[in-house]
Amino acid sequence: DIQMTQSPSSVSASVGDRVTITCRASQYISSWLAWYQQKPGQAPKFLIYAASNLQSGVPSRFSGSGSGTDFTLTITSLQPEDFGTYYCQQANSFPITFGQGTRLEIK
Amino acid sequence: EVQLVESGGGLVKPGGSLRLSCAASGFTFSTHSMNWVRQAPGKGLEWVSSIGSTGGYIYYADSVKGRFTISRDNANNSLYLQMNSLRAEDTAVYYCARGWLQLPFDYWGQGTVVTVSS
Repeated sequence: DIQMTQSPSSVSASVGDRVTITCRASQYISSWLAWYQQKPGQAPKFLIYAASNLQSGVPSRFSGSGSGTDFTLTITSLQPEDFGTYYCQQANSFPITFGQGTRLEIK
Repeated sequence: EVQLVESGGGLVKPGGSLRLSCAASGFTFSTHSMNWVRQAPGKGLEWVSSIGSTGGYIYYADSVKGRFTISRDNANNSLYLQMNSLRAEDTAVYYCARGWLQLPFDYWGQGTVVTVSS
């Protein structure tokens, strides 16, 4: 099984800051990586697919990069509504696996 | 508008069974692969099972293999998860989501809560 490891596990940042979350796959997954945002009590929301493609309607301050085994999610100019937990997911092979999550807190 | 609505959750004793349903609308259900993902209290997301658009391809997480069965009814735009031999560690919110390999899970339901406890 492909293990997905996110770092950091949690981060606290101020409005306007730039935040970067990394995700590392234990095996090569090409660009088959997605990012999701989840707020308390809500279902996950799909943000980015194929490592760097922004879902329609997602603000352009979100971006993704990487390929192979190392990936990043970057939020430039952090906004109050960006709080929540962020998950990466590999969609290269079954079993599909998620990272453990990164909790983003707004200072 | 794409909608996925789960139902069927509840409280069940260890060893018991439950059948979850997911009603889909707003898209051509029969042409999309579907999934179940769960989230234990205070924990992260765990993929449970996937089924191809025609039901011909099915995959399970090792943690549920042999106990859970995924199925679909394309005529009624519905996805199901039959859960048998339930354990305490199956306690979670269960989400249905649209997607597949190389495709994101682009739409999710609101989830249904399953609690396994005596």
